[in-house]
Amino acid sequence: ETGVTQTPRHLVMGMTNKKSLKCEQHLGHNAMYWYKQSAKKPLELMFVYNFKEQTENNSVPSRFSPECPNSSHLFLHLHTLQPEDSALYLCASSLEVTGNTIYFGEGSWLTVV
Amino acid sequence: DQQVKQNSPSLSVQEGRISILNCDYTNSMFDYFLWYKKYPAEGPTFLISISSIKDKNEDGRFTVFLNKSAKHLSLHIVPSQPGDSAVYFCAASGGVNTDKLIFGTGTRLQVFP
Repeated sequence: ETGVTQTPRHLVMGMTNKKSLKCEQHLGHNAMYWYKQSAKKPLELMFVYNFKEQTENNSVPSRFSPECPNSSHLFLHLHTLQPEDSALYLCASSLEVTGNTIYFGEGSWLTVV
Repeated sequence: DQQVKQNSPSLSVQEGRISILNCDYTNSMFDYFLWYKKYPAEGPTFLISISSIKDKNEDGRFTVFLNKSAKHLSLHIVPSQPGDSAVYFCAASGGVNTDKLIFGTGTRLQVFP
């Protein structure tokens, strides 16, 4: 069982829908991340949370809204997305933010129709 | 501007032979490098890392070499096995962006019998 769990694994949503991605880590880590993996593009960092506080927003559009209620849980709320937002969204965690190996969840495949 | 580059999108190797995956970087401040392996529909899995104070790190069949003067690192897999078939991502961190992993676009390795 992976230490970082993401749900749902697959999501199809319309452009006017509101949905959320959920991530939970069982590794006792203090930092959590959202990444976006699009075809033929580098893995893109979206958000960084350290001890529940957002420390980085990598110029992500406001239609993506993260929430970190505690160090073990991370959400990505989705609202009025566009078809080009279709991608694999990866949650990850690390013990600390600086210079640590990051452990990824299995990802949530999002399709916006 | 892509700071971490994997110029070979794909590589095909016969089982038992050596697989060499290459990665170049442009930021001389990077001091920590990692390789991740990704199977389809799964999140990346940490494979091996190397700090800039070393030029080689070995873990079983996997060895990472770092050439700081050339800003180049490589991952050697020997002997290659069919189960190694996956996409391999190079990542780097350090300098002012110590809390950010910069990923390459990945190289798809196929190991055939």
